Amino acid sequence: DAGVIQSPRHEVTEMGQEVTLRCKPISGHNSLFWYRQTMMRGLELLIYFNNNVPIDDSGMPEDRFSAKMPNASFSTLKIQPSEPRDSAVYFCASSGTAYGYTFGSGTRLTVV
Amino acid sequence: AQSVTQPDIHITVSEGASLELRCNYSYGATPYLFWYVQSPGQGLQLLLKYFSGDTLVQGIKGFEAEFKRSQSSFNLRKPSVHWSDAAEYFCAVTGGGNKLTFGTGTQLKVEL
Repeated sequence: DAGVIQSPRHEVTEMGQEVTLRCKPISGHNSLFWYRQTMMRGLELLIYFNNNVPIDDSGMPEDRFSAKMPNASFSTLKIQPSEPRDSAVYFCASSGTAYGYTFGSGTRLTVV
Repeated sequence: AQSVTQPDIHITVSEGASLELRCNYSYGATPYLFWYVQSPGQGLQLLLKYFSGDTLVQGIKGFEAEFKRSQSSFNLRKPSVHWSDAAEYFCAVTGGGNKLTFGTGTQLKVEL
């Protein structure tokens, strides 16, 4: 099993640009989570999906952030327009029925 | 609401010494508890988890943790630390529903 796959690993973009982060969960996992990690705020849950349906997006910081899961094997997190304060490491994780997440390696986003 | 407290932000131990990382949780019913480790530039890796049964759980890399309901604690231990254990450690809790709440992490430094 290849684990949770995130792309890109690193993204540098200019303020105001659109950024799309991608995630492929582990096959058979029915829950998918997007987290943001910063030094100041630690790990923050942004949104999670069960069976491709968004269940809780209360952590999405503002309307500039959106997430989709069009099928069981793919999810995107989009930021439009991006701002310097969005700079962080974004993690995707997936989970099956036994609890405990499997995390991807993360996308390090830098907005300049 | 569920929450996790990791009171130690940084811990330094000598290689070969024993280790205990503290974790206190808040949850109204029986929690599901987890410890994760994050090496620099990497995602989080699951060390061990507690759902029910034996309150002493064994994990990977020689780690163990003990669930103490009376103290609302789930401390992580290792009898002899190796230099490769230097990383950040996160405790997490869920009451079900698959939504994990993470602590702020403990940064472990190992002196040779």
